[in-house]
Amino acid sequence: EPEVTQTPSHQVTQMGQEVILRCVPISNHLYFYWYRQILGQKVEFLVSFYNNEISEKSEIFDDQFSVERPDGSNFTLKIRSTKLEDSAMYFCASNPRQLQNTQYFGPGTRLTVL
Amino acid sequence: DQQVKQNSPSLSVQEGRISILNCDYTNSMFDYFLWYKKYPAEGPTFLISISSIKDKNEDGRFTVFLNKSAKHLSLHIVPSQPGDSAVYFCAASENYGQNFVFGPGTRLSVLP
Repeated sequence: EPEVTQTPSHQVTQMGQEVILRCVPISNHLYFYWYRQILGQKVEFLVSFYNNEISEKSEIFDDQFSVERPDGSNFTLKIRSTKLEDSAMYFCASNPRQLQNTQYFGPGTRLTVL
Repeated sequence: DQQVKQNSPSLSVQEGRISILNCDYTNSMFDYFLWYKKYPAEGPTFLISISSIKDKNEDGRFTVFLNKSAKHLSLHIVPSQPGDSAVYFCAASENYGQNFVFGPGTRLSVLP
C-alpha cells in the first residue's frame, strides 16, 4: 500500500541553524500538509499546500517557515532560523483529490533544537 | 483556547467490550470531524470521518456519533481488540477546510 515517507527520522540542530524536513507524499495525491506535535502536547496544523501554493496556514506558520514542492515528488518544510521551541515531531500528510478530508500521515521527523 | 477537547486522557477497556471515546468542541462553525489513532513512533492513521449533515457514520467496528446541539462526538469501537491500544485524536475543521484542529488525545488500553 502506498505511504507517505519522511526523512530524516530524527534531526538534531543548533539554535539559529536552518533545517529542511523532507516528505514524499503518495504519488497521486494533490493536497499536502505539515503538522507538528510538541512533546506531550496536541497535534497542530501548520500549513496546507495545493497547486504549488499555500492554501491555508496557521498562526504558528510565521515568516521563519516556508514550504516547497521542488519537483514532482518531494514536499519540504524549511525552518530558517530554528529556536528551542521548534523542537517537536513534524508530520507530513497528503490527500487524494477525491477524498479531500482523509489525510494520510507520514511517520514524522523528530526535530531537536539544542 | 481549546476548541477541541478530549477530557479523558486515558481509558482502559477489556477485550471484547465496547470502547467509547469522547470529544467536545466549542466552535459551532466546525462542520467536518475526523478520528485518528496513533501508535508510538508512527504518524496518525485516519479511522473515520463525519460531516455535520449526519449524526452517525459506521465503518466496521468503528462508529462515530455526532450531536451538534451538544457539540459532542464520540467514537465507539465494538468489539475492542488489544491492537486497538493507541492514542486516539479527534480533529475538526470549518467550512470543510484543511486546517484541522486536533484534540489532545485519549490513550486507549485494551486489556486481554
